[in-house]
Order: sequence, then structure tokens, then C-alpha cells
Amino acid sequence: GAGVSQTPSNKVTEKGKYVELRCDPISGHTALYWYRQSLGQGPEFLIYFQGTGAADDSGLPNDRFFAVRPEGSVSTLKIQRTERGDSAVYLCASSFTDDLTYNEQFFGPGTRLTVL
Amino acid sequence: AQKVTQAQTEISVVEKEDVTLDCVYETRDTTYYLFWYKQPPSGELVFLIRRNSFDEQNEISGRYSWNFQKSTSSFNFTITASQVVDSAVYFCALSEEGQAGTALIFGKGTTLSVSS
Repeated sequence: GAGVSQTPSNKVTEKGKYVELRCDPISGHTALYWYRQSLGQGPEFLIYFQGTGAADDSGLPNDRFFAVRPEGSVSTLKIQRTERGDSAVYLCASSFTDDLTYNEQFFGPGTRLTVL
Repeated sequence: AQKVTQAQTEISVVEKEDVTLDCVYETRDTTYYLFWYKQPPSGELVFLIRRNSFDEQNEISGRYSWNFQKSTSSFNFTITASQVVDSAVYFCALSEEGQAGTALIFGKGTTLSVSS
């Protein structure tokens, strides 16, 4: 079956611009996560959705970052007034929601964002 | 607080050498999960293994083996007879609980270079 997909694979933008990054989770996965991986670092958690609602957004660095998942499937990460420090690979992951078993997170290929 | 430390930033070996990647973790929870992921140059995170805190048995999968020691809070990864295709960044990660919504906490990664 299809895995997690992310578009675009690469995004180059100028400082101060607005960008949207899209994530298509695995069909049937109700949980969706966004992570950010800066150069030379491991991925860092940004936000978690359960269905349509953001259940944990404690990892969002500031109010320029926002994410939505209006229909409980596709999610969009939105970054306003981009800064050079936002340059990173943004990873999306999805999982089942099941209290009885371990909920494995499956990662997408990421979107590489470059802010000039 | 949870933390994962991968003290080795880069390791270079010659093909057929054995190599061990170190991982030390910190958590106050008694139930947790440990992971290793591989990130080849293509960028996608490839899941290698998951262990839960109640299972300290070492595991072997082909040329890969994992040594989990709760007494030293370590979860080390050994590649036997390394190959050029093993060249990648390897991440150790920690998750408390296993239910959906639990963020993965990654180390900074170890870059492994295997030369022929």
C-alpha cells in the first residue's frame, strides 16, 4: 500500500514569505505527526493530530508555525514570515490509534525547506 | 526529562569491519520504547528495530544486532561485516508509552561511512 507522502519534496523561498507543506498520511491512520530536522540534528517533534484536532502542539517553535488537518486525513503545515532559521527538512509521520498495541509511526520522505 | 545521547558524531570504517553505534538514554518512566532508524542519503527514515523496556533480550537480525542494557541505560547497535550500503546516518530514539500521540525523541545521529 501507499506510504506517507509529502509535497513538495523541495521548497525554496525568500525570507518573509509564507509557505505551506503538505502531508498525506497512510490511509486509515488517525494519528499524524510533524517533526523538523535541522542540519546535523535528529528530528524534533512539532505537533500531533488525533483526527482533526491538534492534540499536542507543544513542539511548535513560535506563533509563525501553524498546522491544520480539517478532514482528519491530509495535513498542512503553514509557516508565516519565514526566517532563514526555518530552513530544515520537515518530516511527517502517521500511525494507527490503538490502546492495545504499539502505535508504530511511519515516516514520509520529508520536505526540504530552504529560506534564502 | 527524556533525552537520547549519541556521542559518536561520525564513524568511518572499511568494508567488512564490525562497527558499534552507541546510544544512551534518559527517562523517568518504567515503560518506554527504544528505536533505531537508518537515514540513507535519500533522506527517508527507515525503521530498524523497536524494543520495549521490559524486554532486555539482545536481538540479532542478519548482520545487525542490538544490545539493550537497562543497568547502563544503553541501547547499542552493532553492524557485523559492514558494507558500503550501510553508509547512512543512524538515529536512536526513545518513546514513552506506545499509544498514539507519544512523540519520538531522537538523538543527534551518528554518520557511518563505510569505504570499499
